[in-house]
Amino acid sequence: AQKVTQAQTEISVVEKEDVTLDCVYETRDTTYYLFWYKQPPSGELVFLIRRNSFDEQNEISGRYSWNFQKSTSSFNFTITASQVVDSAVYFCALRGGGGADGLTFGKGTHLIIQP
Amino acid sequence: DSGVTQTPKHLITATGQRVTLRCSPRSGDLSVYWYQQSLDQGLQFLIQYYNGEERAKGNILERFSAQQFPDLHSELNLSSLELGDSALYFCASSTTDSSGNTIYFGEGSWLTVV
Repeated sequence: AQKVTQAQTEISVVEKEDVTLDCVYETRDTTYYLFWYKQPPSGELVFLIRRNSFDEQNEISGRYSWNFQKSTSSFNFTITASQVVDSAVYFCALRGGGGADGLTFGKGTHLIIQP
Repeated sequence: DSGVTQTPKHLITATGQRVTLRCSPRSGDLSVYWYQQSLDQGLQFLIQYYNGEERAKGNILERFSAQQFPDLHSELNLSSLELGDSALYFCASSTTDSSGNTIYFGEGSWLTVV
């Protein structure tokens, strides 16, 4: 069975601080895919990134960066110089390589950026 | 805007009733997924269709059913509704049924059962 753990239920920081959201996953698949989604207060789920299990290269997109470490089964997400608009619930998700299943989501981290 | 369209956005209905949620996938996407988000269960995968055929099944109740039509839009039917079915229901789509495809979500349909 697959599992995604986001141990941080809620994080509150002051604007312009850097913040890291943790994601730890469990899977027996050798090929798998990891995702991050953002859910703002309006409710929609916004895709942020997809990472393949065979590509451990870290990625940076503007103020966002992701650190994928297979050795520790982690796929952490860092926001640099946080802004109030970053306030949302962030979900980490996993999908096995077999395809016969949907995304397995973590319970999400509620990020609050205070002005 | 993800390109996935869901209707209705909000729905209030009584216990025991039946509702239908509708979804239009992104243009060109052949795979459609349904997810349920509730406070106690979190985000759960319900079912996936690919080009009209059921592809994968998750934690979908027997009271729920779905289908994907030849024009690729999909419907999720929820019957004999219970208070616990109150949730945000998401439709999502991807290009094919490959696990590596990015899955794009719609804005969701808020269902309240009273």
